[in-house]
Amino acid sequence: QQPVQSPQAVILREGEDAVINCSSSKALYSVHWYRQKHGEAPVFLMILLKGGEQKGHDKISASFNEKKQQSSLYLTASQLSYSGTYFCGTAAGNKLTFGGGTRVLVKP
Amino acid sequence: NAGVTQTPKFQVLKTGQSMTLQCAQDMNHEYMSWYRQDPGMGLRLIHYSVGAGITDQGEVPNGYNVSRSTTEDFPLRLLSAAPSQTSVYFCASSYGGQVGNTIYFGEGSWLTVV
Repeated sequence: QQPVQSPQAVILREGEDAVINCSSSKALYSVHWYRQKHGEAPVFLMILLKGGEQKGHDKISASFNEKKQQSSLYLTASQLSYSGTYFCGTAAGNKLTFGGGTRVLVKP
Repeated sequence: NAGVTQTPKFQVLKTGQSMTLQCAQDMNHEYMSWYRQDPGMGLRLIHYSVGAGITDQGEVPNGYNVSRSTTEDFPLRLLSAAPSQTSVYFCASSYGGQVGNTIYFGEGSWLTVV
């Protein structure tokens, strides 16, 4: 079953912060985060494997709340290069299922 | 570094035609998969493989066949193309047979069925 992402879209000014949420109705064992620029392939950001785990990639970080079956991606002090569509993916067995994506536009 | 290579990049098919999208990786990854992405939508898993000789269905397998005769190659066959199969197709691979590892995507194949 596909994880649910919110919000569907967000517009930021350069330097602002944003949070993207990913939730699942099923138990989560790992959460992947990817970013896709228009017309390009998704690019790996990070994987969270344990409940409570937090990771960072530049000024993008994520948390994983196993009990709440959700993960959040934090965009801090956003840069123009952060624009794109962010996808979370949840793994069950050998299947990685992606959410519908969150479109992020960072304006100068 | 070739990574994951997909061919062709663009293809136009007529309804009812068949074709094969090629995917090759040079990273010795065991896990390979095919996704489709419709305009403005997320990625949906078509088929995947955890190693040579082993394939399984994903979320949307109907109308597609796969085989995995070697570790490197994972072709996707459209048996009888339909307009509903117009989409961007991404091949992906990861190290090991589990999905707890980084997924590397190919550049995508844009398919239009008329």
